[in-house]
Amino acid sequence: KQEVTQIPAALSVPEGENLVLNCSFTDSAIYNLQWFRQDPGKGLTSLLLIQSSQREQTSGRLNASLDKSSGRSTLYIAASQPGDSATYLCAVKAYGQNFVFGPGTRLSVLP
Amino acid sequence: NAGVTQTPKFRILKIGQSMTLQCTQDMNHNYMYWYRQDPGMGLKLIYYSVGAGITDKGEVPNGYNVSRSTTEDFPLRLELAAPSQTSVYFCASSYSGQGANVLTFGAGSRLTVL
Repeated sequence: KQEVTQIPAALSVPEGENLVLNCSFTDSAIYNLQWFRQDPGKGLTSLLLIQSSQREQTSGRLNASLDKSSGRSTLYIAASQPGDSATYLCAVKAYGQNFVFGPGTRLSVLP
Repeated sequence: NAGVTQTPKFRILKIGQSMTLQCTQDMNHNYMYWYRQDPGMGLKLIYYSVGAGITDKGEVPNGYNVSRSTTEDFPLRLELAAPSQTSVYFCASSYSGQGANVLTFGAGSRLTVL
């Protein structure tokens, strides 16, 4: 059974720092991996989706990488801003199965 | 705006009552999902549907029922509400075509069972 973990559970950084969020999964036979952002009391917003054949995806200040062999993905946020404060979740999809979500990392960017 | 619409946003139920959470999407997505999110936990899949007339259980289906009579609508029925069903419920949809699978979520429905 696929299990997804995210470390750290919470992170607080000063504005302007570059930061990395981690996502680990136990079964490397995945189809794709998706990163989401969730603001308090809101739904999830898709940030990036990486197919199993890709090693990374970029959108603006966000870069997500995928290393299937080690069962890891990282979300890199450049030049963080207070508006980046939210919970970030990763979700992993294996072939023929539904997405399995990690518990999320709660990010606070301090002005 | 195109997307996933959930109603109601908030609801308080008494133990033993029943209710239906509504979900509608206007993106012509074939896949639809219901998740629940408990504090500090990831999302758990309750039920999903791969198209009209087809539904299947997820990880935590007990106490819930679904139907999918149209592509757009995927209601979630709670029968005999219990305190363990206090949670935030999210509906989502996706397209299953090549290179797709991006999940689009609704804003959520916060349910409290007292």
